[in-house]
This record gives sequence, structure tokens and C-alpha cells, in this order.
Amino acid sequence: KNQVEQSPQSLIILEGKNCTLQCNYTVSPFSNLRWYKQDTGRGPVSLTIMTFSENTKSNGRYTATLDADTKQSSLHITASQLSDSASYICVVRVRIGGNKLTFGTGTQLKVEL
Amino acid sequence: EPEVTQTPSHQVTQMGQEVILRCVPISNHLYFYWYRQILGQKVEFLVSFYNNEISEKSEIFDDQFSVERPDGSNFTLKIRSTKLEDSAMYFCASSAGTGVYEQYFGPGTRLTVT
Repeated sequence: KNQVEQSPQSLIILEGKNCTLQCNYTVSPFSNLRWYKQDTGRGPVSLTIMTFSENTKSNGRYTATLDADTKQSSLHITASQLSDSASYICVVRVRIGGNKLTFGTGTQLKVEL
Repeated sequence: EPEVTQTPSHQVTQMGQEVILRCVPISNHLYFYWYRQILGQKVEFLVSFYNNEISEKSEIFDDQFSVERPDGSNFTLKIRSTKLEDSAMYFCASSAGTGVYEQYFGPGTRLTVT
């Protein structure tokens, strides 16, 4: 069964600090991996999309890494801001079917002063 | 910047009633999706739609659910006879293509079944 697991479940950091969120997946056949940010009560917003041939991709203060061999990904947030407080969700697409996305449970990040 | 819109933002209905959730995808997009998120749980895929047909559906998307693109702009999700367990946030999404194309999500409709 296709699964996406994330850790930690929740995280509290001080403003200005960095953090790294982890994702492990068992989706097959793998197409691409995405990181989404979801504010409470809102729809997910895409941060990065990576295919199996990409090891790292950045979007501003967000840098995602992908190891397709070990089926692991991470999202690194640099110099956190209060507005980074949200759920960060690892999402994987399989290479067959109708383009559906399989979502992880998310890491709830809270940035405090 | 173009965005996916959804109406209503919140719908309260009684068990057994029919509801229709509406979405306006981004105008030049060809692929449309519905997802749901039960409170405190992960987002789950319901259905994908392309060229006026369902291209894939999950086990959740049973005979009580249907989708339609009644005109050139709207994309709807109908639940024929709502159950308490249908209470969730329903997200519409659209994309210009498949593969690495980004799926853009709407703000969601919170459905509460009483």
C-alpha cells in the first residue's frame, strides 16, 4: 500500500532558527515528490516538486532534498519567520493512474518569538 | 494571479440530504480533482477528472458521490445522501497537465453533516 510518513509530528522553534522536516515514502512506481504548506483552514500550497533525478530544490528559504534510493526526503527551512507556522505536508505522485497525490500526515510547525 | 475558488466556504446539512459543492478551476487548466480532509487527519484523494470523464477515483468515492463539469467554468461534487462521516473539508484542485505539473488547491468547503 502506498504510504507517506512524516516526522516529527509537531515542532516548535524560535523565530530566526532553522529546522528540518523528514519524509519517508513507500509509493511505487514513484513519479515525483512535493512539499506543500497548509495554513489552518486553508488549501495546501505547493513549495517544491522533485522528480527522482533531482536531489535538491530550493524555493526561497525552503530547500527540499530527495534520495530516491532510500525513499527519503527532507524540507529545510532557513531563518524561520512567524508566518512559517503551518502544517508542512510531504506528497507523492505515482507514475500510473489519474495523477492522484498521496499525502502524508504533515508536520505541524509553530514558530515563536 | 489566477486561483481556484470554491463555494460555499461552509455548508451545514442534515444527514440524508443532498449537497453540491462548487469549484471554479483555473481557466486554462484541463485536469480537475477533489480531495477531502477530515478534521485532524491527512488530505485524501477522491477523484480526478479529465476530458469530461473520471480518470481515477478512490475507494471513498462510492455511488453516493458524483462529479460534473456542467459548463466551461464550474466543476461540482455532489453527495447524494450525506452521512455524518462525510463531515470534512473538501478541496478542489486543478492542473494544466499531469506529471510534474503543479496542482493548485482552492480554499476548501467545510461540510458539516448533523
